[in-house]
Amino acid sequence: SQQGEEDPQALSIQEGENATMNCSYKTSINNLQWYRQNSGRGLVHLILIRSNEREKHSGRLRVTLDTSKKSSSLLITASRAADTASYFCATGTNAGKSTFGDGTTLTVKP
Amino acid sequence: DTEVTQTPKHLVMGMTNKKSLKCEQHMGHRAMYWYKQKAKKPPELMFVYSYEKLSINESVPSRFSPECPNSSLLNLHLHALQPEDSALYLCASSHEDRADTEAFFGQGTRLTVV
Repeated sequence: SQQGEEDPQALSIQEGENATMNCSYKTSINNLQWYRQNSGRGLVHLILIRSNEREKHSGRLRVTLDTSKKSSSLLITASRAADTASYFCATGTNAGKSTFGDGTTLTVKP
Repeated sequence: DTEVTQTPKHLVMGMTNKKSLKCEQHMGHRAMYWYKQKAKKPPELMFVYSYEKLSINESVPSRFSPECPNSSLLNLHLHALQPEDSALYLCASSHEDRADTEAFFGQGTRLTVV
């Protein structure tokens, strides 16, 4: 099964609202990354958080990591229609590989 | 240049054809990757090249044959594929030679096997 599982599977919000998506995983990790994918195109790296970090910010993005609960969340504040995409978490392990979660499809309505 | 370029963007091939997917990066990255992504699914790692040498093969069938001619180029040779191999094939690269670091992805080749 996938190392990372995300919820919700789909999220629909109005422009200006905040969007929160969650990622849970099962084994120990070195880091966790979030990627965005627009409509069947390439993935864009958003943020990497290491296992010894609890929170990271990048522009309108805020990522938290709780290793005791084996979970992470991605918050997008003041969403825009251009944020409409699929968002994937990817967990990095000692094996030097990342495994992607199933993804959350975000729709931001103008 | 922070791009990973993949060609072609779309490819339709028969089950008896031989074709190749190409990937190029000029960021001086040490590692390059092939991923396969089926519709509405996450990307799945296929191969990792580190310093031009194959370091990870995720038990991919031999009808997929990767090649790294130099540090900037990565090919994926396809032969005798099946319709279930139809997918988006993504190439990526990273500065560090570990697949759990920030990766830069190309736009993918959408492959249809008929």
